[in-house]
Amino acid sequence: SQTIHQWPATLVQPVGSPLSLECTVEGTSNPNLYWYRQAAGRGLQLLFYSIGIDQISSEVPQNLSASRPQDRQFILSSKKLLLSDSGFYLCAWKRGPLGNTIYFGEGSWLTVV
Amino acid sequence: QQQVKQSPQSLIVQKGGISIINCAYENTAFDYFPWYQQFPGKGPALLIAIRPDVSEKKEGRFTISFNKSAKQFSLHIMDSQPGDSATYFCAANFVAPTGNQFYFGTGTSLTVIP
Repeated sequence: SQTIHQWPATLVQPVGSPLSLECTVEGTSNPNLYWYRQAAGRGLQLLFYSIGIDQISSEVPQNLSASRPQDRQFILSSKKLLLSDSGFYLCAWKRGPLGNTIYFGEGSWLTVV
Repeated sequence: QQQVKQSPQSLIVQKGGISIINCAYENTAFDYFPWYQQFPGKGPALLIAIRPDVSEKKEGRFTISFNKSAKQFSLHIMDSQPGDSATYFCAANFVAPTGNQFYFGTGTSLTVIP
């Protein structure tokens, strides 16, 4: 069966510090991978998606970046965090373009102080 | 442009009542319509889904009604329970070589009062 792991679960970072959130998927190959952000009580904002290694599409211009160094690894990064980067970050995967269901990780709570 | 429009934003229902959440879409290429349930502090999880070749799908107390001509679909929660209190997202997708994105509604926060 397929599983998705996302870490860390929570973190508190000062403004201007770097960020690295990691996500891995097990039990499948060549998945589509996604990073979403969810502000408190709000909807799902798609940040990045990837259809393959080093193939990243950015949906929202911001100070965040994403990388996919391996087939089942997706990393969300920032060089300098802003207060507005606080939120709940969700990694997700789908079985390629022909997959009809997206599966989410447990999420990472980021508080920028 | 919001590909999937969801309403209401929030909903309060008495225990035992029926909760109804509505969604509408524009792209007729969509061929899969799932609903996700999200509890606080957790990632959304697939609840129930429907394809456009059927008008209704029922799983326990949860039913999706689908109106292809109106491009609308809705989630009905019968005999709503306090444990159903969560945020619900409708979504749409299409299976194709270019079907890499997944389109979500803006979410409905459901509160079931005991």
